Amino acid sequence: EIVLTQSPGTLSLSPGERATLSCRASQSVSTNYLAWYQQKPGQAPRLLIYGASSRATGIPDRFSGSGSGTDFTLTISRLEPEDFAVYYCQQYGSSPLTFGQGTRLEIK
Amino acid sequence: EVQLVESGGGLVKPGGSLRLSCAVSGFTFSSYFMNWVRQAPGRGLEWVSSISSGGSFIYYADSVKGRFTVSRDNAKNSLYLQMSSLRAEDTAVYYCARGSHCLGGSCDSEFWGQGTLVTVSS
Repeated sequence: EIVLTQSPGTLSLSPGERATLSCRASQSVSTNYLAWYQQKPGQAPRLLIYGASSRATGIPDRFSGSGSGTDFTLTISRLEPEDFAVYYCQQYGSSPLTFGQGTRLEIK
Repeated sequence: EVQLVESGGGLVKPGGSLRLSCAVSGFTFSSYFMNWVRQAPGRGLEWVSSISSGGSFIYYADSVKGRFTVSRDNAKNSLYLQMSSLRAEDTAVYYCARGSHCLGGSCDSEFWGQGTLVTVSS
């Protein structure tokens, strides 16, 4: 099983700032099949990024994903008020599918 | 518009059973892998099960293997999760989700339902 470790656990930033979230895998993620999701309180998760770097339909271009192998990054270039939420990475390159524990992005 | 609507959640005693349903619309259901993902109260996301478009390939997390059964009825545009021998640690919101970008039998989850709460308690 691939274990995903996200850091930091909580990130405190202000609107307009740049956010960098990390996801590290315990072994290489097959074909970079790594996704990022955003979840707001009381809502279902929303797919942001798939294949490590491809934006899902309708996702603003301030969200970008990068990385390969075992180290992946989600970057939000300029934070909007609606971006403050919990973010999860997930690998779907091998079974069992696994999620990271999440990074909470909060307003400073 | 893609829509997924879960139902069937509720309160059940330990050792009991429950069947969740997920009704979908807005896409050709029979063409897509489907996933079940759960989230315990205040916790993170946990993948539960996946089923291929035709139902031939099925995968489970070790935590539910032998107790949960996933199935689908493509004629009814519906996905199911039969849960038995339920435990307190199965308490969670259960989401169905459509897989869109797949590698073999593993897919991401592009579209999600709103979830249905399962509470296992005496």
